[in-house]
Amino acid sequence: SAVISQKPSRDICQRGTSLTIQCQVDSQVTMMFWYRQQPGQSLTLIATANQGSEATYESGFVIDKFPISRPNLTFSTLTVSNMSPEDSSIYLCSATGLSSTDTQYFGPGTRLTVL
Amino acid sequence: AQSVSQHNHHVILSEAASLELGCNYSYGGTVNLFWYVQYPGQHLQLLLKYFSGDPLVKGIKGFEAEFIKSKFSFNLRKPSVQWSDTAEYFCALYTGGFKTIFGAGTRLFVKA
Repeated sequence: SAVISQKPSRDICQRGTSLTIQCQVDSQVTMMFWYRQQPGQSLTLIATANQGSEATYESGFVIDKFPISRPNLTFSTLTVSNMSPEDSSIYLCSATGLSSTDTQYFGPGTRLTVL
Repeated sequence: AQSVSQHNHHVILSEAASLELGCNYSYGGTVNLFWYVQYPGQHLQLLLKYFSGDPLVKGIKGFEAEFIKSKFSFNLRKPSVQWSDTAEYFCALYTGGFKTIFGAGTRLFVKA
């Protein structure tokens, strides 16, 4: 199994600023992902964090808005840039192995409120 | 189109009542389905998963789910709920390329 921690757990930010969320996994994993969960809605995949290369973004998400880093197998960051109130959401880090049968583990989430 | 639908957004039950949460999916490929649970203040965690074989899957804490291919369904069941089952439950579908799509979630509240 894998235990995932995220920092910060929550933050309140001003419009136009940026916030970087950190994700740490306690064991080496193959795949890391970032999800967004907007109020009352389901989890939406933002991007797959690739080690040592640019992240792979889903439709509707772009690198300029959500830059992602993954310098090694156990750590990733997501930055929410130039924030607006519409970015208020819970951001979740997730990790799994290579196979579709591997369990997907989730972090506790970062609750972001943009004023 | 690939999608996962959960019928109930909020469910309130008394302890010892039976539970069934509906989940329907739309997907043309090999079906891998999951139920995740998020207890208050805790991480999202896997309850059970279906990849192949017996369509009745048993998970942790007495939960089970049945995959019915003809109905495109993967409903979650528990014969007798406890107050500690109060949580949000998500149905999810693996769509390949390490991507999983989630239903909107069902908030279950169990009255003691």
